[in-house]
Amino acid sequence: EVQLVESGEGLVQPGGSLRLSCAASGFTFSSYAMHWVRQAPGKGLEYVSIISSAGGTTFYADSVKGRFTVSRDNSKNMLYLQMGSLRADDMALYYCAREGRGWYIDYWGQGTLVTVSS
Amino acid sequence: QSALTQPASVSGSPGQSITISCTGTSSDVGGYNYVSWYQQHPGKAPKLIIYDVTNRPSGVSNRFSGSKSGNTASLTISGLQAEDEADYYCGSYTSSSTRWVFGGGTKLTVL
Repeated sequence: EVQLVESGEGLVQPGGSLRLSCAASGFTFSSYAMHWVRQAPGKGLEYVSIISSAGGTTFYADSVKGRFTVSRDNSKNMLYLQMGSLRADDMALYYCAREGRGWYIDYWGQGTLVTVSS
Repeated sequence: QSALTQPASVSGSPGQSITISCTGTSSDVGGYNYVSWYQQHPGKAPKLIIYDVTNRPSGVSNRFSGSKSGNTASLTISGLQAEDEADYYCGSYTSSSTRWVFGGGTKLTVL
């Protein structure tokens, strides 16, 4: 069974940093690209970042480019999102998600909450 | 990269059919057959219901179907049921540097 479990939830001040983690199990992690997607309270889904299966290629939404860095450790089946220069509009539930055998997301975690407030 | 355009809300009665549109550009929806649809119930993670415009994952009801014409993709739900009440999002590959874009979401109300 595919499982994606996010962690790193926290309250951070504007301008601060936070690292999210996602533990993957139930599939060959190193064979799949992975996504981070966020959802602000009461709002829609917003794409954040994609990382290729080997980790050598990354993409970012314009809203986070230069502030967030996605990475992965295939030896540990872990996905990460390092977030910096956090702003109020970064406050959201952050989902880790697996890309299927094509351009779609086939599995989602349950999300981890990031709160940005002074 | 702008979000794909979806209607904010749609509604229908049990047994009826509804269609949700997802409009993009030739750089995303219109240029590639990589449109997917997701269903999200309150407090739950999204669930994939359509991928590659028309394909249903195993276990998804055949009451859900997808199509595309030009820069607009559509999700049709036939034989509406109370459990279909949820938010629906489209997503697409984009040739822009971001590589992925979601629609703004559509709230489906079953009357």
